[in-house]
Amino acid sequence: EAQVTQNPRYLITVTGKKLTVTCSQNMNHEYMSWYRQDPGLGLRQIYYSMNVEVTDKGDVPEGYKVSRKEKRNFPLILESPSPNQTSLYFCASSLEGGSYEQYFGPGTRLTVT
Amino acid sequence: GDSVTQMEGPVTLSEEAFLTINCTYTATGYPSLFWYVQYPGEGLQLLLKATKADDKGSNKGFEATYRKETTSFHLEKGSVQVSDSAVYFCALTISNDYKLSFGAGTTVTVRA
Repeated sequence: EAQVTQNPRYLITVTGKKLTVTCSQNMNHEYMSWYRQDPGLGLRQIYYSMNVEVTDKGDVPEGYKVSRKEKRNFPLILESPSPNQTSLYFCASSLEGGSYEQYFGPGTRLTVT
Repeated sequence: GDSVTQMEGPVTLSEEAFLTINCTYTATGYPSLFWYVQYPGEGLQLLLKATKADDKGSNKGFEATYRKETTSFHLEKGSVQVSDSAVYFCALTISNDYKLSFGAGTTVTVRA
């Protein structure tokens, strides 16, 4: 089954404790992206990747890191999480960027206390 | 910068009612426009899209027409069902760009 998977689905952590949210896709897509969803703000793009070893900032990259060492994986790293990073996070992939449909993972709900 | 504005919710309707969700955009280039839907507890999925002016996207009884003159991409459905209860997002991307900009989302609840 073609899908985007994220782990963990739910995470509660404390300020400053480094964490990684994994994202994997099995569709051989070139493009992958991370978003955060907050009430009243819709989805905002954090980082995206056009291909292996090629990443770029979205609209809200501060406090986040990404890497794309393999085509199928695109982990999101929070090196020192803060409470304002409490949010619902989505990973997405598409064949390419631009007008191609993006396929979304099920989401990771992160709470930072 | 490029942005999308969609009508605020929540919207509550009865089954078989007509649904319209307004979406307008601001873009520096020639955008592709999308409607994504998020059912409770799930990720987003593409509902429909249009890539050039006057294109009409349609899927599952929903329609939206890309209106360049009014910079709009309003979503419509003639007769909603309870299963259409979801959050609807309008979004755009510029050709050859890799950034997707979303509106704030509109929550739609359909009552039996």
